[in-house]
Amino acid sequence: AQSVTQLDSQVPVFEEAPVELRCNYSSSVSVYLFWYVQYPNQGLQLLLKYLSGSTLVKGINGFEAEFNKSQTSFHLRKPSVHISDTAEYFCAVGGSARQLTFGSGTQLTVLP
Amino acid sequence: DTGVSQDPRHKITKRGQNVTFRCDPISEHNRLYWYRQTLGQGPEFLTYFQNEAQLEKSRLLSDRFSAERPKGSFSTLEIQRTEQGDSAMYLCASSPGQSSYNSPLHFGNGTRLTVT
Repeated sequence: AQSVTQLDSQVPVFEEAPVELRCNYSSSVSVYLFWYVQYPNQGLQLLLKYLSGSTLVKGINGFEAEFNKSQTSFHLRKPSVHISDTAEYFCAVGGSARQLTFGSGTQLTVLP
Repeated sequence: DTGVSQDPRHKITKRGQNVTFRCDPISEHNRLYWYRQTLGQGPEFLTYFQNEAQLEKSRLLSDRFSAERPKGSFSTLEIQRTEQGDSAMYLCASSPGQSSYNSPLHFGNGTRLTVT
């Protein structure tokens, strides 16, 4: 069984400030971790993924995430956000099953 | 690459009616997934096809739901005798290759179903 907990449902942040979106997971098998972004009325777009290797993963749009096995976390970070980063962000875990299990999402709102 | 296309974008139906949604994956993607997303929640897996074969179905997929992918190209998701609890965004995704992890899911913009 696998599950994902996104600890913050809403994160407001001012433009050009850093942001961290938190994600904790549980899985009884090998872990593959993902962050997706969803803009209003659109489907999900992959930001980054961790399959193996380096625990620091860089993705698109300046985002990065760090896999921490001991803390079972995969937090998403960006050093300086833009208005255009306003969206819903989903953490997901994949294990032995072919399907992904998504968290409930974090709404990031970037304020001017 | 024209992306994953879903039709219709919005569907309003009365309780008890049947509805059918269509998904056209990215051409040559052999894997196709259906997910359901309710307000304030992340997508939940419904079913998965590799080519024309339906290989997995979630417990969420009751017997009122049926999905097909004839000829391994487009897919349809039909809901019979709709209930208000079926109101959600239905997302389709596709991916190429043998492993779904090295090949990320490409999502469509979804079909939003409202059952009145």
